Amino acid sequence: TQLLEQSPQFLSIQEGENLTVYCNSSSVFSSLQWYRQEPGEGPVLLVTVVTGGEVKKLKRLTFQFGDARKDSSLHITAAQPGDTGLYLCGRGGGSNYKLTFGKGTLLTVNP
Amino acid sequence: NAGVMQNPRHLVRRRGQEARLRCSPMKGHSHVYWYRQLPEEGLKFMVYLQKENIIDESGMPKERFSAEFPKEGPSILRIQQVVRGDSAAYFCASSPRGTGQETQYFGPGTRLLVL
Repeated sequence: TQLLEQSPQFLSIQEGENLTVYCNSSSVFSSLQWYRQEPGEGPVLLVTVVTGGEVKKLKRLTFQFGDARKDSSLHITAAQPGDTGLYLCGRGGGSNYKLTFGKGTLLTVNP
Repeated sequence: NAGVMQNPRHLVRRRGQEARLRCSPMKGHSHVYWYRQLPEEGLKFMVYLQKENIIDESGMPKERFSAEFPKEGPSILRIQQVVRGDSAAYFCASSPRGTGQETQYFGPGTRLLVL
């Protein structure tokens, strides 16, 4: 059972465009994490959101946690080729150590 | 993912051979987690270990797979009699205390290809 649904699965855009990717679940998150995974590398944590309605910014990246804590979005402004990668959302299990991930959004930013 | 080391980065095995994947956690981290990433399934938890103890192996196949984290040395994920379906990227992550909400830092992964 896929607990975390990410959309879109693939996204190819031109440098300078804006984009939003989504992470949704039918159940409530206690916390949610966003990772970026570059080709041939492991996931790197970008941010953790905990509070419903929370908004966090990381340079050109804006992360939002839904009020009901069932969904989250990642918005990238003025995308650059260096933003290319697989964006994963993940959540902890009952004891939080067992991370569950969505399948990810594979983003390609073309120069 | 700075600090978590995995080797080899790429491993090719023929069906029936054994694969041994190694993970050295970040300095000061005594909790290790192994995940497997299959192309169509995403990243999935396999096993959680502390030094000399397996805490949770609920995500690891019951046969052919084993994991250890000895008192000295790296954590080892061992796959015996590999089959083509074992081809995947295997990631190790580590954390300092293993408590809830704690960040897990991932290594670069080992890409296993079974011919």
